[in-house]
Amino acid sequence: GAVVSQHPSWVICKSGTSVKIECRSLDFQATTMFWYRQFPKQSLMLMATSNEGSKATYEQGVEKDKFLINHASLTLSTLTVTSAHPEDSSFYICSAIAGGSEQFFGPGTRLTVL
Amino acid sequence: AQTVTQSQPEMSVQEAETVTLSCTYDTSENNYYLFWYKQPPSRQMILVIRQEAYKQQNATENRFSVNFQKAAKSFSLKISDSQLGDTAMYFCAFMKPSLLTNKLIFGTGTLLAVQP
Repeated sequence: GAVVSQHPSWVICKSGTSVKIECRSLDFQATTMFWYRQFPKQSLMLMATSNEGSKATYEQGVEKDKFLINHASLTLSTLTVTSAHPEDSSFYICSAIAGGSEQFFGPGTRLTVL
Repeated sequence: AQTVTQSQPEMSVQEAETVTLSCTYDTSENNYYLFWYKQPPSRQMILVIRQEAYKQQNATENRFSVNFQKAAKSFSLKISDSQLGDTAMYFCAFMKPSLLTNKLIFGTGTLLAVQP
């Protein structure tokens, strides 16, 4: 149990376009979902926290207008990278909590912006 | 603000031997959780072990155990009988329980290589 999926696993897009990444909790209802960014050989950097039906809370330094997060249901959160540029290329990971202390992580999405 | 420090960027161990990864943290909280996560080359984050700060007994999960020293704010991970599949990046993480959010604060990670 406690499986989190992400789609797509790898996306390549042109500079200036927008990309949407989906995060789904497959067998539980997620009260809270998190989005992280990870550069090669570095740690996970929390971008934002989202609770179902409310606005996401962004970490300091994360551009809200560039990284749009929607948590429309208890099993789905989306991250949209708007007007993507090469510097947005990274590995994006989501996680979800079902009310306890453990975060369950998705497999990640590799974004490459050309 | 809480911080987590992992002072060993890389470590290497021979198969079947024991290795200890270090982690220290800084907090003024009394109630919190500590975690060790493993990130293999697939990049899937896997929970290795969890410790509640109010518990004095060190957590153990099969070959993985921790040495939790609350006063010293130290939380090391011991891997016994190392296996090739243990090769991964290991992250120590801190979490302060909250009604609104349970954010994880990660250390910088230790890259562990298990040699055959």
